[in-house]
Amino acid sequence: QKEVEQNSGPLSVPEGAIASLNCTYSDRGSQSFFWYRQYSGKSPELIMFIYSNGDKEDGRFTAQLNKASQYVSLLIRDSQPSDSATYLCAVRRDDKIIFGKGTRLHILP
Amino acid sequence: DAGVIQSPRHEVTEMGQEVTLRCKPISGHDYLFWYRQTMMRGLELLIYFNNNVPIDDSGMPEDRFSAKMPNASFSTLKIQPSEPRDSAVYFCASSLSLQNEQFFGPGTRLTVL
Repeated sequence: QKEVEQNSGPLSVPEGAIASLNCTYSDRGSQSFFWYRQYSGKSPELIMFIYSNGDKEDGRFTAQLNKASQYVSLLIRDSQPSDSATYLCAVRRDDKIIFGKGTRLHILP
Repeated sequence: DAGVIQSPRHEVTEMGQEVTLRCKPISGHDYLFWYRQTMMRGLELLIYFNNNVPIDDSGMPEDRFSAKMPNASFSTLKIQPSEPRDSAVYFCASSLSLQNEQFFGPGTRLTVL
């Protein structure tokens, strides 16, 4: 079983709709969870991080963590064409950080 | 601050040659990470340093790869000898701690012919 799994996509979402990106992880002891956005040909940049169960909102972005079910998700409200990118989920336990392969998101104008 | 600086941005070399990638982290960041990204394997952590000391090198593929951090402002990743399967984008990142955001450099695109 892969340690951090994401659907590779592409996930196509109409402009203005909600994009939902999911990530599952295998280590129950995982402590922190990060979402990075990576535009084509660019380096990853942090969108959000979450440590506790529940929701965390920042502008149009909401991260949701469910440790019992071992998944973390990222919701993007009012999707814009500029949100088209690959979204990487990263999971940390102690001194170990593992990235998922990412989900390609395509916002349809 | 200029952010994480990597050089070169592109490197094309022939199989068997030595390749050295360079990184300057953000000043004051105690952690430095080296990653490799390919379509097939995604973003893989190769090694990371804390206060110039290698902490976890379990991601280093094999003995052909080595990394050093002689001081707080400079690190190198060396591949000797290089092979075509080493072709990838290599990212360097730095952070204040493992709990904090990692800031990535622009990457080095390596092509081994």
